[in-house]
Amino acid sequence: AQTVTQSQPEMSVQEAETVTLSCTYDTSESDYYLFWYKQPPSRQMILVIRQEAYKQQNATENRFSVNFQKAAKSFSLKISDSQLGDAAMYFCAYRSYSGGSNYKLTFGKGTLLTVNP
Amino acid sequence: DGGITQSPKYLFRKEGQNVTLSCEQNLNHDAMYWYRQDPGQGLRLIYYSQIVNDFQKGDIAEGYSVSREKKESFPLTVTSAQKNPTAFYLCASRGKGQSYNSPLHFGNGTRLTVT
Repeated sequence: AQTVTQSQPEMSVQEAETVTLSCTYDTSESDYYLFWYKQPPSRQMILVIRQEAYKQQNATENRFSVNFQKAAKSFSLKISDSQLGDAAMYFCAYRSYSGGSNYKLTFGKGTLLTVNP
Repeated sequence: DGGITQSPKYLFRKEGQNVTLSCEQNLNHDAMYWYRQDPGQGLRLIYYSQIVNDFQKGDIAEGYSVSREKKESFPLTVTSAQKNPTAFYLCASRGKGQSYNSPLHFGNGTRLTVT
């Protein structure tokens, strides 16, 4: 079974600075998908960014980018120019490529990000 | 606007009582999911359903039951057999035919407290 590990239970960053959240995963598969979800105080889960394992290029969405290291099984999230609205719990998630429509996400335990003004 | 509605937002029950959490979607999605969230535990899959009248157990199905009689609805019953029912419950859905990397759509969740 796949496992996802987020080793930083809490992180903090100053507004306008850059922060990197870590995520590692364990899998024997070669094809899979990785996601970062954000959960603000409203508790609504919001997709931040996604990465296909077969793509070497790191995904980028505006101020959010990932550093995907397939050999190391690492998938870190970098938030640039941090804003107060980025304060949230961030979850890393893994989805197997196999299994067809059995869309099962395996989540890490989350990292609580605080943004200081 | 399309979305997923979970009700109620907060639910309180006495120990030993069954309780049903509602999840309704108007996204015309085929697949629906129930996750449980505990502090420091992330999200764990309880049950999922890919089509009407069919559902499968997730990783922590014991003490829970579901039904899928309509495409739009996927209610979760927390039975008295669930030893630690107090948690935050999230419902999600995904459309058929979407690409493999397409995300789940989540509801706003229900906070269940059992005393």
